[in-house]
Amino acid sequence: DTEVTQTPKHLVMGMTNKKSLKCEQHMGHRAMYWYKQKAKKPPELMFVYSYEKLSINESVPSRFSPECPNSSLLNLHLHALQPEDSALYLCASSQLQGSGANVLTFGAGSRLTVL
Amino acid sequence: AQSVTQLGSHVSVSEGALVLLRCNYSSSVPPYLFWYVQYPNQGLQLLLKYTTGATLVKGINGFEAEFKKSETSFHLTKPSAHMSDAAEYFCAVISPPPSGGSYIPTFGRGTSLIVHP
Repeated sequence: DTEVTQTPKHLVMGMTNKKSLKCEQHMGHRAMYWYKQKAKKPPELMFVYSYEKLSINESVPSRFSPECPNSSLLNLHLHALQPEDSALYLCASSQLQGSGANVLTFGAGSRLTVL
Repeated sequence: AQSVTQLGSHVSVSEGALVLLRCNYSSSVPPYLFWYVQYPNQGLQLLLKYTTGATLVKGINGFEAEFKKSETSFHLTKPSAHMSDAAEYFCAVISPPPSGGSYIPTFGRGTSLIVHP
């Protein structure tokens, strides 16, 4: 299995809703990433987990809350979002050692619309 | 510190013509260099990478790139464009992290490749 699976593919939510994005990989990767991507822009790093521990938080607002319950799963909990948070949210994973450590494998993304 | 510059936000070619997407980087240490492709409504997919060794690297779908240290460049080429090559292309640079750290790529702004019939 060489895929990163993200669900849901599309999500529409109001500013008062609570929702979650889910990411799953079964490649044995021990680093997992959340990125935010606006249209026609490069991905912006949000969070990195290494060995299931949060290692990087790029000063993301607290309305985004990441969680890594085990080495295969990564969640992004969403609460009280703003319309400007509408974007494609990409999950990625990588090895932490070896020749594959510098290659990120991306999921297809979850397209979020905040009304 | 590291950075990536992709010249041209859009490149337009005819089907069958040469594709050339430009990427220049700056890095304080020997970098790892990557090209990723993103098709509409999809995630990023690795096209090719340079870490060490041969400076001309071949990737998927007939693409290749050459690392030129003297020019700090890593341009992406394909001899003959196909309609299916239309996508967004991102150049990225990574510097090896501190021991035990994650590799964090710095992406260029992206180049949209348009292929005309």
